[in-house]
Amino acid sequence: GAVVSQHPSRVICKSGTSVKIECRSLDFQATTMFWYRQFPKQSLMLMATSNEGSKATYEQGVEKDKFLINHASLTLSTLTVTSAHPEDSSFYICSAKGGNYNEQFFGPGTRLTVL
Amino acid sequence: GDSVTQMEGPVTLSEEAFLTINCTYTATGYPSLFWYVQYPGEGLQLLLKATKADDKGSNKGFEATYRKETTSFHLEKGSVQVSDSAVYFCALKSPNNAGNMLTFGGGTRLMVKP
Repeated sequence: GAVVSQHPSRVICKSGTSVKIECRSLDFQATTMFWYRQFPKQSLMLMATSNEGSKATYEQGVEKDKFLINHASLTLSTLTVTSAHPEDSSFYICSAKGGNYNEQFFGPGTRLTVL
Repeated sequence: GDSVTQMEGPVTLSEEAFLTINCTYTATGYPSLFWYVQYPGEGLQLLLKATKADDKGSNKGFEATYRKETTSFHLEKGSVQVSDSAVYFCALKSPNNAGNMLTFGGGTRLMVKP
C-alpha cells in the first residue's frame, strides 16, 4: 500500500506557543487528507477534511482558528495548533487518499504534549 | 447518523487462544466495513475490509464477515500471538459519503500473554 509520513513524531512545547505538524504522502498524490485527534485509550475523532488547493472542512466543535490546516500541494498537508494549551495535548493522526487508491492511508501519528 | 459500536476492552488472552472482537454498526444503505490495527505508538494500519454483504475479509490470520442481517462485522482469529497485542478499531464508510469519511468505533485493546 501507499505510505504516509508525519513529522515530527513527538513534540513538547510550552503553553501559548504554536506547533506545526506535517503530513506527507510519499508515493502518491493525495487529493484529500484527513486530520484526526485521538485521546488516550479512545477512538479517533475526525477534526477536518482538506482537499488540495481549497479550504479545509472542519467537523462540528473544532475551532478552525485554533487548528489551522493547509493543503497546498498534492503531497503535503500541515496542521498548526495555534496558542497551544495543555488540553490540546493529544495524539494527532493524518490520513490521505488519492491516486489510484480508493482507501485512506494513515500516518504514524504525532504526539503533542503541551506543558 | 452512522455509528460503530465495539466491545470494550481490554481483552486479555493467552497465546494461541481464540479471539473474537464484536463490532456492530448503524448506517443507511450498504456501507463498507473495515478493521484497523494500531500498534503502540503508531498510526492505524488497515487490517481487512469487506464491501458488501456476506463478504469475508481476511489478513494475517484475522477474518471478519459482513453480516447485514445482524449489522455486524466481528473480528476473529483462531490462534493469537503476543505480537497481535494492539488496539483494534472497527470502522465504516457510508456509500452516501462522497468525502470518504470513516466512522470509527471506540477501539478494543487486545493484550496477549505468553
